[in-house]
Amino acid sequence: QQQVKQSPQSLIVQKGGISIINCAYENTAFDYFPWYQQFPGKGPALLIAIRPDVSEKKEGRFTISFNKSAKQFSLHIMDSQPGDSATYFCAAGEKNSGGSNYKLTFGKGTLLTVNP
Amino acid sequence: ETGVTQTPRHLVMGMTNKKSLKCEQHLGHNAMYWYKQSAKKPLELMFVYSLEERVENNSVPSRFSPECPNSSHLFLHLHTLQPEDSALYLCASSHVGNPTQYFGPGTRLLVL
Repeated sequence: QQQVKQSPQSLIVQKGGISIINCAYENTAFDYFPWYQQFPGKGPALLIAIRPDVSEKKEGRFTISFNKSAKQFSLHIMDSQPGDSATYFCAAGEKNSGGSNYKLTFGKGTLLTVNP
Repeated sequence: ETGVTQTPRHLVMGMTNKKSLKCEQHLGHNAMYWYKQSAKKPLELMFVYSLEERVENNSVPSRFSPECPNSSHLFLHLHTLQPEDSALYLCASSHVGNPTQYFGPGTRLLVL
């Protein structure tokens, strides 16, 4: 059972356009929602993250929109650039049974291509 | 060296070999993680170490054996692997209780 569903699997956007990637979850224990960016040959790098007590968070051209009631969150990339071409992963975090560590559950990823 | 480093970056091994993957974090963290990344699949959490104690083992086959000698180093010992174990193995670290994890570049493993 896939706990975090991510769509689309791939996305092609023109330079200057808006890229939108969506994720949905079921587990209401999740209380941390990060987005990671991964370039070929590199490990995932944290891009932006949100807690469920806010509905939106913006950092530069990247915005997370969060809908707690719908259990959905999305990443918006404004003015998309060719350098943004990468794989993007959403994730959802919850504390483990011992309460000392967070466990992240990842989506399958979205391959974003921004054409010049 | 900064951040999280992993060695080797690429590894080819036969099914009867024994090898080890190494991870080192330079961030002062005290929790470390091993993930498996396969094409078209979500990252799979394999092991979690918190304060050098293993706190999570996600039903990983015994042919994978982790070791955490101190809070800066993490190893994954491999033996008698199967071709389906071919994947990118990622190490990550964090502060205990902090959800933000920092990843290394990974080791690309090919099992022949």
